[in-house]
Amino acid sequence: DTAVSQTPKYLVTQMGNDKSIKCEQNLGHDTMYWYKQDSKKFLKIMFSYNNKELIINETVPNRFSPKSPDKAHLNLHINSLELGDSAVYFCASSHLAGVGNEQFFGPGTRLTVL
Amino acid sequence: KQEVTQIPAALSVPEGENLVLNCSFTDSAIYNLQWFRQDPGKGLTSLLLIQSSQREQTSGRLNASLDKSSGRSTLYIAASQPGDSATYLCAVNSGSARQLTFGSGTQLTVLP
Repeated sequence: DTAVSQTPKYLVTQMGNDKSIKCEQNLGHDTMYWYKQDSKKFLKIMFSYNNKELIINETVPNRFSPKSPDKAHLNLHINSLELGDSAVYFCASSHLAGVGNEQFFGPGTRLTVL
Repeated sequence: KQEVTQIPAALSVPEGENLVLNCSFTDSAIYNLQWFRQDPGKGLTSLLLIQSSQREQTSGRLNASLDKSSGRSTLYIAASQPGDSATYLCAVNSGSARQLTFGSGTQLTVLP
């Protein structure tokens, strides 16, 4: 059973398009995250949702809009894609107040903007 | 703002050697620290999680230590194998959202 899954795994698109990445976790966690790994392999937090509510929004362009329809899902919609958006996007989940608060990561979505 | 630094950026060792990877962080108000492994083009595999109240954690040939007051953690790999070749990432859990702040990683190559 996949704990944290993301679709698609690869996404190639033209500049200016709008695209979405989906994330689902079956761990019963109450908190989900989006991280971005840039071309230099540096990972940085983008958003965090706890019980469907936004609890952190780092300095991310408002072209990025996360949506959490329920606790098990956190989708990322990106409008007007730019070349600099090319990166690997990782979804993660955890139990915010649980013992350990270990974060589990999805396999990543490699986005290439042409 | 939490900042995490990993040294060295890259390390190449012959098979069988014991090695130490270093991680330092600027804000000691952390919940825990996680060590991850990332293979090229792959996702993150969690190796060890150390709670802020703990000093070390062990899993097989891996041992991670934490000195919260000095803002340091080390990952010790015993008897390294070529299969250990990967990028090792240190991540500190802090802040109101308990988000992870990552270091830039140590790229390890174990030569047969």
